[in-house]
Amino acid sequence: DVVMTQTPVSLSLAIGQPASISCKSSQSLVHSDGKTYLSWILQRPGQSPKRLIYLVSKLDSGVPDRFSGSGSETEFTLKISRVEAEDLGVYYCWQATHFPHLTFGSGTKLEIK
Amino acid sequence: EVQLVESGEGLVQPGSSMKLSCVASGFTFSNYGMNWIRQAPKKGLEWIALIYYDSSSKYYADSVKGRFTISRDNSKNTLYLEMNSLRSEDTAMYYCAKDFFDYWGQGVMVTVSS
Repeated sequence: DVVMTQTPVSLSLAIGQPASISCKSSQSLVHSDGKTYLSWILQRPGQSPKRLIYLVSKLDSGVPDRFSGSGSETEFTLKISRVEAEDLGVYYCWQATHFPHLTFGSGTKLEIK
Repeated sequence: EVQLVESGEGLVQPGSSMKLSCVASGFTFSNYGMNWIRQAPKKGLEWIALIYYDSSSKYYADSVKGRFTISRDNSKNTLYLEMNSLRSEDTAMYYCAKDFFDYWGQGVMVTVSS
């Protein structure tokens, strides 16, 4: 299976600071159809997960534009331009390119100072 | 509004069986693949099963293959997960999720313990 490695494991930031989370895959995530099925999910404390970004950089409906996704092949990044209090939680990347073996990263915990 | 509501949570003994349900609303259920994903206490997310919109294909993670069965009833807008030969390591919160995980249920807790 494709292994998804996220760094850092955790980060503690003040409101208004930028955030950056890396996700690296053990194999290229470019599908034979040309698309890259890499998504980002946020799980706030005590809540079920919520998808933020799909196909590397497309924001889901209602997701603030302070979130952005980028990357290609095996290296991907989630950025928050200015962290807000509601952004705390655990961020996961996951891939669907190597369907049906869908795999998640191990998560990055964002804490607010 | 898309809603996914799981049910069937509980405490069971090792080796026993359990069935989870997920009722969908707010979208045309019969048009989309559906998934089950679980999260052990204090752990990360693990995809465990997927079913095509028409039940024509089903896929499982190695950790549950041969013990768990995913199914659906499009007439009832309901997704199921039949879990047999349960082990302590199956203890987790179980979520159903639509398609490419664009919507998730609130989750149900399954505890396997003697």
